[in-house]
Amino acid sequence: EEKLVESGGGLVQPGGSLRLSCAASEFTFKSHWMHWVRQAPGKGLVWVSYISDDGRSANYVDSVKGRFTISRDNAKNTVYLQMNSLRVEDMAVYYCARERLGTAGDAFDLWGQGTLVSVSS
Amino acid sequence: QSVLTQPPSVSGAPGQRVTISCTGSSSNIGAGYGVHWYQQLPGAAPKLLIYITTNRASGVPARFSGSKSGASASLAIIGLQAEDEADYYCQSYDTTLRGGSWVFGGGTKLTVL
Repeated sequence: EEKLVESGGGLVQPGGSLRLSCAASEFTFKSHWMHWVRQAPGKGLVWVSYISDDGRSANYVDSVKGRFTISRDNAKNTVYLQMNSLRVEDMAVYYCARERLGTAGDAFDLWGQGTLVSVSS
Repeated sequence: QSVLTQPPSVSGAPGQRVTISCTGSSSNIGAGYGVHWYQQLPGAAPKLLIYITTNRASGVPARFSGSKSGASASLAIIGLQAEDEADYYCQSYDTTLRGGSWVFGGGTKLTVL
């Protein structure tokens, strides 16, 4: 069964850092662009970042640019999100998601279960 | 404020038909980019329903369908069932941000009366 499993969430103080991981299994990970999407408590989905299949291209929503860094290790079938200078407004469930095909704008056809990031003093 | 605009809520009785609208602009849906729809049950991760405007994802019942006209799209559900009660999100690609971005609607809560 194809699967994405996130880990690394937790409670952190404002200004702190966390690194999220998303482990993929049972599909050809290196062929897919990967994304991080977040959902604040009681709110909607917000796209955060993407990385291309080869890791050479990435982009971020404006609110996290300069603070978050996405990366991947195709040998380990894992995508990461390094989050620095965390703010209260970054508190959310973070999902990793697989883009269906490697073309900009396709759908996210596989999602992880999410990992909760709490930012509070 | 989401780039794509959805009604906050819709409702319908079992067996009825409901539609959920998604309004974008010339930098996303209106530019010809596909629209995708997701269903999120309470406490669960989103699940892909419709991709590239009209295509049902694997295992999705034929009661769900998508359409698009200009810069707007719609999700229709016929023969409404209690299990359809969930949040629904539309998504597209937007060219406003340098390098492009993926954008979601604010979500629509479907209540089955």
